[in-house]
Amino acid sequence: EPEVTQTPSHQVTQMGQEVILRCVPISNHLYFYWYRQILGQKVEFLVSFYNNEISEKSEIFDDQFSVERPDGSNFTLKIRSTKLEDSAMYFCASRAGTGGADTQYFGPGTRLTVL
Amino acid sequence: SQQGEEDPQALSIQEGENATMNCSYKTSINNLQWYRQNSGRGLVHLILIRSNEREKHSGRLRVTLDTSKKSSSLLITASRAADTASYFCATDGNQFYFGTGTSLTVIP
Repeated sequence: EPEVTQTPSHQVTQMGQEVILRCVPISNHLYFYWYRQILGQKVEFLVSFYNNEISEKSEIFDDQFSVERPDGSNFTLKIRSTKLEDSAMYFCASRAGTGGADTQYFGPGTRLTVL
Repeated sequence: SQQGEEDPQALSIQEGENATMNCSYKTSINNLQWYRQNSGRGLVHLILIRSNEREKHSGRLRVTLDTSKKSSSLLITASRAADTASYFCATDGNQFYFGTGTSLTVIP
């Protein structure tokens, strides 16, 4: 069964560094998402991406963040100048978006630790 | 936002018992979905129910939807220790807004 994959599973970085989290959505899906979950808190929506551009973003998704679909398979989240409070699980999701198929399929997540 | 809010926040039952958790939302929807998250892991899609459906079954899962009350329930029958996880509802839309979930503990 197709699934969303994410790499790396765990990323450790120093405060102020830039990180890129990678996701491979399910093939032929059209909508892509990033979510964040700080330890012990709820899963929070960051951004959605469709047709090579951001379709919606939350107030969390400020200029520190950017997303890109550099090729036909990868979907990346870049976090510039990381802060301690960026430590969280980051989940990628994709959705087919055709014929009313609204199910979002989530990847296993990347645990980001900022030291 | 079409945020789902689950209750109870925590539920502890014995293996073999049924577990019921509820979700309320604020705006009209096309569908509602339930997800499970094991501790520190990703979200696994469980079931989707459309707004014109009132009840749906999938294995040991039974979901109901009451659009007049803007609420849904998830029933897990004959629970197992492996069902221990957090359960979230999410409504349709381009982005999901998750509640804090119901933390279910099934005691062997």
